[in-house]
Amino acid sequence: DARVTQTPRHKVTEMGQEVTMRCQPILGHNTVFWYRQTMMQGLELLAYFRNRAPLDDSGMPKDRFSAEMPDATLATLKIQPSEPRDSAVYFCASAPGTGGIETQYFGPGTRLLVL
Amino acid sequence: GNSVTQMEGPVTLSEEAFLTINCTYTATGYPSLFWYVQYPGEGLQLLLKATKADDKGSNKGFEATYRKETTSFHLEKGSVQVSDSAVYFCALSDQGTGNQFYFGTGTSLTVIP
Repeated sequence: DARVTQTPRHKVTEMGQEVTMRCQPILGHNTVFWYRQTMMQGLELLAYFRNRAPLDDSGMPKDRFSAEMPDATLATLKIQPSEPRDSAVYFCASAPGTGGIETQYFGPGTRLLVL
Repeated sequence: GNSVTQMEGPVTLSEEAFLTINCTYTATGYPSLFWYVQYPGEGLQLLLKATKADDKGSNKGFEATYRKETTSFHLEKGSVQVSDSAVYFCALSDQGTGNQFYFGTGTSLTVIP
């Protein structure tokens, strides 16, 4: 049963520290999305990639957030420096990218707490 | 632009009650519509989808019909179970906007025995 995996599942860090979250999309999927979920804002799209190229990162605070796909099996989201307001659940999702409108498959999320 | 408006929660129902969660949308093109479910501590899972007007999506006893005339995609289930307690998200995706998903705010459902 193919799934999106995310690591770490939980992260507690102190303000100012660097945080790196990783995502392994479903094998063969070439579209990857990063979302942030908070009680106040709900689900927000931060960035997404197709064939490892960023298509849209307008939802991401550029000064501290960065997203990359070093290869087709790994997507990373970094926050440097982290701030308490970054505390949230970060989800990665992938889609086949075969064209047309596609279902997105979500990972279990990384729960981040910045103290 | 594209947007989804969902019924405000939380919703609390007794087991075997009828469920309706309202969802309306605004879209510039011809979107596909989705319902996702999020169980506590987990990621979102696809529940059902419909890709064109008058299509009915169904899964696990849940149904939703794509109504273009009312721009709606309401989620229904005839008899809810305790295990249906979760947060439900309505979403649309429009090929014209690069297959981005536009999610509603989510509706929390609690089913009590």
